[in-house]
Amino acid sequence: DTGVSQNPRHKITKRGQNVTFRCDPISEHNRLYWYRQTLGQGPEFLTYFQNEAQLEKSRLLSDRFSAERPKGSFSTLEIQRTEQGDSAMYLCASSLRGKSSYEQYFGPGTRLTVT
Amino acid sequence: AQTVTQSQPEMSVQEAETVTLSCTYDTSENNYYLFWYKQPPSRQMILVIRQEAYKQQNATENRFSVNFQKAAKSFSLKISDSQLGDTAMYFCAFMTPATQGGSEKLVFGKGTKLTVNP
Repeated sequence: DTGVSQNPRHKITKRGQNVTFRCDPISEHNRLYWYRQTLGQGPEFLTYFQNEAQLEKSRLLSDRFSAERPKGSFSTLEIQRTEQGDSAMYLCASSLRGKSSYEQYFGPGTRLTVT
Repeated sequence: AQTVTQSQPEMSVQEAETVTLSCTYDTSENNYYLFWYKQPPSRQMILVIRQEAYKQQNATENRFSVNFQKAAKSFSLKISDSQLGDTAMYFCAFMTPATQGGSEKLVFGKGTKLTVNP
């Protein structure tokens, strides 16, 4: 169990560019979540997957955002035509459905800065 | 929609003393889970303690304990014998399990920045 990993840890991009983040969950975890955290705020839910199925998307997730989890393993979050308002920490978390603890294990996050 | 409110943006405590962080929430659900997560500076978020709403007994984990008042929708965290390593952002979070029709997403408060002073 190596924990949840996220890459890159930091990303600086110019407004209008596309960016993609990757999350590798704990290997046996079938649920994967994406959250966004802005300065001074708690994380806000964006979307989650159970295996490869995307089961819910927040209304925060505009049509410029897309997430995938092919084969139910790692996940990618892509932001197209980035805006300055997209600057935030993007957190990934995983959990094991059916485990009564409901604990979500978080990765270190990807900090996005849009200039 | 569920909401979580943490009314203390910042708190400080002397090493070895006790501190209590406040959290209130709003929901119409009867069965749910409450969590306190800790986010140390530049490090990832980790679970501190968990409480099931159907359990009347307050959860404890070593130096960490909660005061869960379901009727008042209050869920405070008490840290005893504070240590320098407790310095972090603390987030209160709410979750409805999928068996109750929920998505199991976490709804977080804005956090309380705790500083433990030597």
